[in-house]
Amino acid sequence: NAGVTQTPKFQVLKTGQSMTLQCAQDMNHEYMSWYRQDPGMGLRLIHYSVGAGITDQGEVPNGYNVSRSTTEDFPLRLLSAAPSQTSVYFCASSPRQVNYGYTFGSGTRLTVV
Amino acid sequence: KQEVTQIPAALSVPEGENLVLNCSFTDSAIYNLQWFRQDPGKGLTSLLLIQSSQREQTSGRLNASLDKSSGRSTLYIAASQPGDSATYLCAVRDRETSGSRLTFGEGTQLTVNP
Repeated sequence: NAGVTQTPKFQVLKTGQSMTLQCAQDMNHEYMSWYRQDPGMGLRLIHYSVGAGITDQGEVPNGYNVSRSTTEDFPLRLLSAAPSQTSVYFCASSPRQVNYGYTFGSGTRLTVV
Repeated sequence: KQEVTQIPAALSVPEGENLVLNCSFTDSAIYNLQWFRQDPGKGLTSLLLIQSSQREQTSGRLNASLDKSSGRSTLYIAASQPGDSATYLCAVRDRETSGSRLTFGEGTQLTVNP
């Protein structure tokens, strides 16, 4: 059971470039979400999804797009990278049943130069 | 809007001490609270999940308590070891968001000195 898999683990981008951070889970979880973690600011929610075809914005959505075409995958797209998007990105998933906890991926460390 | 606070932000203790990490939240209408551990440069590892109907949850040397009405949770670590050094995060899954995401505190960075 792989859990939540994020790729790549590390990435360096130039300002203005675009890229997609991949997130996949094999637990048939309905809920998936993306967070960014910055020093002194904790984990902040970017976008989340409650099922295939359903996404919504979190606390800091600007500059990011998401889609959820399957239950398993929830990619995060950076449209035009900016230095302010330098961060560590975490994907998480959970069953819809609210008595369960969330499982996190190992993260993607992104640097925008 | 739910807000989660963790105090202290950093804690340094000698090996062998028992210690308590604190987590408070502003909206008591939660489903559960989850404690995570994060080692430097690594991901989040779930330690304990405590449901809103529970008062305590234990795993080995770790014990989490929950007082939902006062909006507080504590993580008790017994007989601390240098390997316990890490950042500890708490997060709530609440009714306002229908449990669709977590709200995190900023964490407590723990250092256990040999």
